[in-house]
Amino acid sequence: EVQLLESGGGVVRPGGSLRLSCAASGFTFDDYGMNWVRQAPGKGPEWVSGINWNGGTIGYADSVKGRFTISRDNAKNSLYLQMDSLRAEDTALYYCARARGIRYFDWLSHWGQGMLVTVSS
Amino acid sequence: DIVMTQSPDSLALSLGERATINCKSSQSVLYSSNNKNYLAWYQQKPGQPPKLLIYWASTRDSGVPDRFSGSGSGTDFTLTISNLQAEDVAVYYCQQHYSTPTLTFGGGTKVEIK
Repeated sequence: EVQLLESGGGVVRPGGSLRLSCAASGFTFDDYGMNWVRQAPGKGPEWVSGINWNGGTIGYADSVKGRFTISRDNAKNSLYLQMDSLRAEDTALYYCARARGIRYFDWLSHWGQGMLVTVSS
Repeated sequence: DIVMTQSPDSLALSLGERATINCKSSQSVLYSSNNKNYLAWYQQKPGQPPKLLIYWASTRDSGVPDRFSGSGSGTDFTLTISNLQAEDVAVYYCQQHYSTPTLTFGGGTKVEIK
């Protein structure tokens, strides 16, 4: 069974940093592209960033470009999102989501339960 | 970036009725080389992550009941729920994966039981 478990969320002040992690199990991690998708309270999903199977292709939403960094460690079956210069508008539930195949740019077949990030002074 | 616009924002129907949800993309998501529409549909129930229902605009994911169907091509798409059940109460989203590097979702349609 595919499982994606996010960790690392919490409350942080504006301008601060957080690092989210996603532990994957139940599938061959380096066969799949991975994504981070966030959802603000009462809003729809917003794609944040994606990384293909070997880290060779990465994409970011304009809203986070230059502030967030996605990475993966295939030996540890883990996906990461380093979030710097956080703003109040980054407050959301952050989901780790697996793509269909080796590219991240695809439909998202499996999702974690999400990790809440709150940016507040 | 491609903008995905869904309508209506919400709808309330009786059990057993048909729900029709529309999704319009600001540019075509039909890839001519393989004749596939790069559009997916998701269902999100309260307190849960989105769940994939349909990909390639009309292919149901494994285990999805056949009362869910997707149709359309190019820029206009429809998700239909025939014979609406109580467990179908949720918000439904469309998503395009045609225009790199950004995945985009529609604003969502909330389905309720009248």
